[in-house]
Amino acid sequence: GEDVEQSLFLSVREGDSSVINCTYTDSSSTYLYWYKQEPGAGLQLLTYIFSNMDMKQDQRLTVLLNKKDKHLSLRIADTQTGDSAIYFCALVRGKLIFGQGTELSVKP
Amino acid sequence: ETGVTQTPRHLVMGMTNKKSLKCEQHLGHNAMYWYKQSAKKPLELMFVYNFKEQTENNSVPSRFSPECPNSSHLFLHLHTLQPEDSALYLCASSQAFLGQGSYEQYFGPGTRLTVT
Repeated sequence: GEDVEQSLFLSVREGDSSVINCTYTDSSSTYLYWYKQEPGAGLQLLTYIFSNMDMKQDQRLTVLLNKKDKHLSLRIADTQTGDSAIYFCALVRGKLIFGQGTELSVKP
Repeated sequence: ETGVTQTPRHLVMGMTNKKSLKCEQHLGHNAMYWYKQSAKKPLELMFVYNFKEQTENNSVPSRFSPECPNSSHLFLHLHTLQPEDSALYLCASSQAFLGQGSYEQYFGPGTRLTVT
């Protein structure tokens, strides 16, 4: 399989929580990242987590890291229509390795 | 102008044309990158320049030729492209090349390339 895998689509209602998942094969990365890409724009770093942490919270964003299962997730609380975008997880193996991206659709 | 800018934003070219993509960063960074983004595929790193020196070429066909005249500017010269080269080409920069601390990269908006 791919080094970093994500499901391609997620649809939620405005106000609900969104959880975007990512699994990876190589656990040597010191940092793991979440990037956001809005339509017509480049990628924007949302947040990152050190590999020795289990959780990081930043306002509406919560990152959970399960090193045993090699699973990373991004939770967006109170999801808004402005959160509609493609979300990429990424890790480092000599260079940034990205997942395919999860397209989040937020319905009013 | 701030951040990372790319021109043109859209480009349509025939297979026999020669064109160039331009990237400029105003962040004082030392590393710059070219990525290819195709639909439903992971981003593909193409080239890395660190302090104007090319440090990575990810088996990119020779019809793509990068140029980095200084640490603020990066070009991607294109010639005799194929239709499968149609994609979004993203430029990014970072304070330092990967391997030295955080890998936070700042991306430009991309050039949407269509090869006919």
